[in-house]
Amino acid sequence: AQRVTQPEKLLSVFKGAPVELKCNYSYSGSPELFWYVQYSRQRLQLLLRHISRESIKGFTADLNKGETSFHLKKPFAQEEDSAMYYCALRRNSGNTPLVFGKGTRLSVIA
Amino acid sequence: DGGITQSPKYLFRKEGQNVTLSCEQNLNHDAMYWYRQDPGQGLRLIYYSQIVNDFQKGDIAEGYSVSREKKESFPLTVTSAQKNPTAFYLCASSTQAPALSYNEQFFGPGTRLTVL
Repeated sequence: AQRVTQPEKLLSVFKGAPVELKCNYSYSGSPELFWYVQYSRQRLQLLLRHISRESIKGFTADLNKGETSFHLKKPFAQEEDSAMYYCALRRNSGNTPLVFGKGTRLSVIA
Repeated sequence: DGGITQSPKYLFRKEGQNVTLSCEQNLNHDAMYWYRQDPGQGLRLIYYSQIVNDFQKGDIAEGYSVSREKKESFPLTVTSAQKNPTAFYLCASSTQAPALSYNEQFFGPGTRLTVL
């Protein structure tokens, strides 16, 4: 069965410090992985997808198939990065549901 | 924000009552989804529909029912059989992106259901 693990419920960092939100997955096929973010009083929105290999708001995430990980990183945290972050795995290709991790709340301290 | 709307924003229900949560999208998306969000649990899939007049159970479908009579609408009914219905409910939709292998899911603002 597919599973997404985010080991940290809460991560607190100081402004300007590096951030790494961990995500590990279990899946027997070729995974499609995503990071979603939920800012306070806003709806859940897509932040990154592994297939795009892009940097959004300074965040990057690299798919490591050997370690089955998709950690989210940012070199210098900003206060506006404080939010709930969810790692997600697509079950199959196409219009199919996502499997979400339990989420990590990032708190950036000024 | 447009695209996906959910109503009402807050809903209160007495024990033993059924209640229906609305989800509408004007994105012309084929697929729609219902997730339940609980603190410390992440999002869990209740039901999903990839096409009109068809839907599939998710991981926690017991005590819930859905219908998909129109492409733009995917209402969720929380029945009295659902043991712990108090939660935040999120609706999402997606479409097959041409020439790409992913399908971004767009989320609604959510409905918070409280059982009194």
